[in-house]
Amino acid sequence: ILNVEQSPQSLHVQEGDSTNFTCSFPSSNFYALHWYRWETAKSPEALFVMTLNGDEKKKGRISATLNTKEGYSYLYIKGSQPEDSATYLCAFYVSYNFNKFYFGSGTKLNVKP
Amino acid sequence: EAQVTQNPRYLITVTGKKLTVTCSQNMNHEYMSWYRQDPGLGLRQIYYSMNVEVTDKGDVPEGYKVSRKEKRNFPLILESPSPNQTSLYFCASRARVGPGGELFFGEGSRLTVL
Repeated sequence: ILNVEQSPQSLHVQEGDSTNFTCSFPSSNFYALHWYRWETAKSPEALFVMTLNGDEKKKGRISATLNTKEGYSYLYIKGSQPEDSATYLCAFYVSYNFNKFYFGSGTKLNVKP
Repeated sequence: EAQVTQNPRYLITVTGKKLTVTCSQNMNHEYMSWYRQDPGLGLRQIYYSMNVEVTDKGDVPEGYKVSRKEKRNFPLILESPSPNQTSLYFCASRARVGPGGELFFGEGSRLTVL
């Protein structure tokens, strides 16, 4: 079982603050790193799929970077809004006879109006 | 609408009473998988399937069975549920095997075993 760690576990910010959190994963045998957004009582939804070292992806106010050599990815939210409140999950993809995803335990973000 | 549908969404059952959680996707995806979510832990993979009649164990397969007789369906079977299988279960699918391609999740099935 591979270790995927996310920090912090939870985060409380004010509306308008920018914030970021971290996903750490094994730096060897990298295939892909996924970010998902999970709102309470809903399905997790994909934000980004990242496959190359140095990848930077952006969707509106949310962006992510990837460093496969040191085994981490950052998720940034610029100008947080209450609707950004959710749990953000990262998942490390292992292929070659495994085809498994290893998820971190998530960062729960609460944005106060 | 592209979706992954799980049923039931909520279930309370008793130890030993066999149950099946159904999962169906309408996107013609090859890959389907089941996860369980427990407090403080990440989603843990129970079983996955790369195509019809091809299934394999994830990290926590004990006490579960699956089948993939049709591409769209991937039911999760608990032959003799126990209280430690109380959890939130997610089914997910993706278009193909490989590093690219996101997972599409169902809405989850919350199971309580008394």
